[in-house]
Amino acid sequence: AQSVTQLDSQVPVFEEAPVELRCNYSSSVSVYLFWYVQYPNQGLQLLLKYLSGSTLVKGINGFEAEFNKSQTSFHLRKPSVHISDTAEYFCAVSLGRGAQKLVFGQGTRLTINP
Amino acid sequence: DGGITQSPKYLFRKEGQNVTLSCEQNLNHDAMYWYRQDPGQGLRLIYYSQIVNDFQKGDIAEGYSVSREKKESFPLTVTSAQKNPTAFYLCASIGMADANGELFFGEGSRLTVL
Repeated sequence: AQSVTQLDSQVPVFEEAPVELRCNYSSSVSVYLFWYVQYPNQGLQLLLKYLSGSTLVKGINGFEAEFNKSQTSFHLRKPSVHISDTAEYFCAVSLGRGAQKLVFGQGTRLTINP
Repeated sequence: DGGITQSPKYLFRKEGQNVTLSCEQNLNHDAMYWYRQDPGQGLRLIYYSQIVNDFQKGDIAEGYSVSREKKESFPLTVTSAQKNPTAFYLCASIGMADANGELFFGEGSRLTVL
C-alpha cells in the first residue's frame, strides 16, 4: 500500500525567508506526485504536479518541487515567502490513472510571520 | 465562471438526523468525489463517481450515501449511522480525459453535530 508522510505538521517562517515543506512517500511502483494548497475555509488548489520528465517541477506562486526517486521524496520549496503564502499544504501521491487512487498526506500548516 | 459549488457552507445538525450536502459543477467533468477533512488527518475519500448513475465506495463510506442522477450533481447524505460526522467536507471533480491532472475542489461544507 502507498502512504504519504509530511514530516512537519507546522512550519513557521519569517517573511522573505526561504521555506521547504517535506514530503516522503512509500510505493514500490511508479507514482504521480502533487502539491495542493488550502487557504482558510476554502477548498484545495493545485500548486504543481510531477507525472514524468524533468524532476524539478515549477508551479504557481513561485513554488517548485523536486522529485527524488532514490529518496522517495517530493519536497516543496520557495526561495522567498510572502504573508499571502500562509496556508495549509498537502502532498498527494497517485499510483495510476484516476483521482480515486490519490492518497493525501496529513498536511503542513505554513505560517508566515512579518 | 466554471467551478464547483458546495452548499451549505456551514451546517448544524442534531444527533440522529440525516443531512444532505449539495455539490454542483459546471466544468463538464465526468468524475466527482467527496472527501472528509479532519485536523491532522489530511483528506480521506468517502465516495466517488466516474459516470452518471454509478458510484463507488471510498476508504470511509460507512454512514454516508450518495447519488449521481445528473452529470453536474453529486449530493452527499450524512446519515445518523455516521458515528462522528463533525468535519469539513470537500467535493471535487476531474475530467476523465485528464485523469492524472488537476482535481478541482469546491469551497467545502463544515458540518457540526450538536
